[in-house]
Amino acid sequence: GAVVSQHPSRVICKSGTSVKIECRSLDFQATTMFWYRQFPKKSLMLMATSNEGSKATYEQGVEKDKFLINHASLTLSTLTVTSAHPEDSSFYICSARAETGGTDTQYFGPGTRLTVL
Amino acid sequence: RKEVEQDPGPFNVPEGATVAFNCTYSNSASQSFFWYRQDCRKEPKLLMSVYSSGNEDGRFTAQLNRASQYISLLIRDSKLSDSATYLCVVNGGGGANNLFFGTGTRLTVIP
Repeated sequence: GAVVSQHPSRVICKSGTSVKIECRSLDFQATTMFWYRQFPKKSLMLMATSNEGSKATYEQGVEKDKFLINHASLTLSTLTVTSAHPEDSSFYICSARAETGGTDTQYFGPGTRLTVL
Repeated sequence: RKEVEQDPGPFNVPEGATVAFNCTYSNSASQSFFWYRQDCRKEPKLLMSVYSSGNEDGRFTAQLNRASQYISLLIRDSKLSDSATYLCVVNGGGGANNLFFGTGTRLTVIP
């Protein structure tokens, strides 16, 4: 199956710093990638849809100036959490949309666990 | 009202048991339905897509009832390795790419 990687897998940072998370589709091109956030014992919540070559589409309540998304190529999207605070601590997961056999499927990266002290 | 609703469980079943999970969705325009499996502190992984005619993959059977906006997953002959959280996932409908996730149903298979 399709493979999506994320880097880093875990990051601990001080409050006020910025953290960049990379999402790569390793064996397919993805014009669309998605960024999710999952708090403990909660469901995944879509933060934004990342479109290659254009601006990301953010879900209601997600600050675009705080969560910067760049989808510079067909295999890479980045999420930068700017001026991170403890309430931003969460599990961030990206997914990449692949079209296989006429069916759209999203493949998830392994996630990045962010802890802001 | 949530887009996707699931019973969070937990379901604790003995090895070899049959267990069923249910899920309801609110958007009648939704076209694609999936069951994902998520292990603790890991990313979700696609278990199976759900088709209108119902589909089976080994010990797993998925059913869709569009009239009732209801999806089910049946696991037969449960294995210890089936212990995980099972997520009901529905697309946004109207051609949207967005997926909406249920909170998941936690399954523990006991030896």
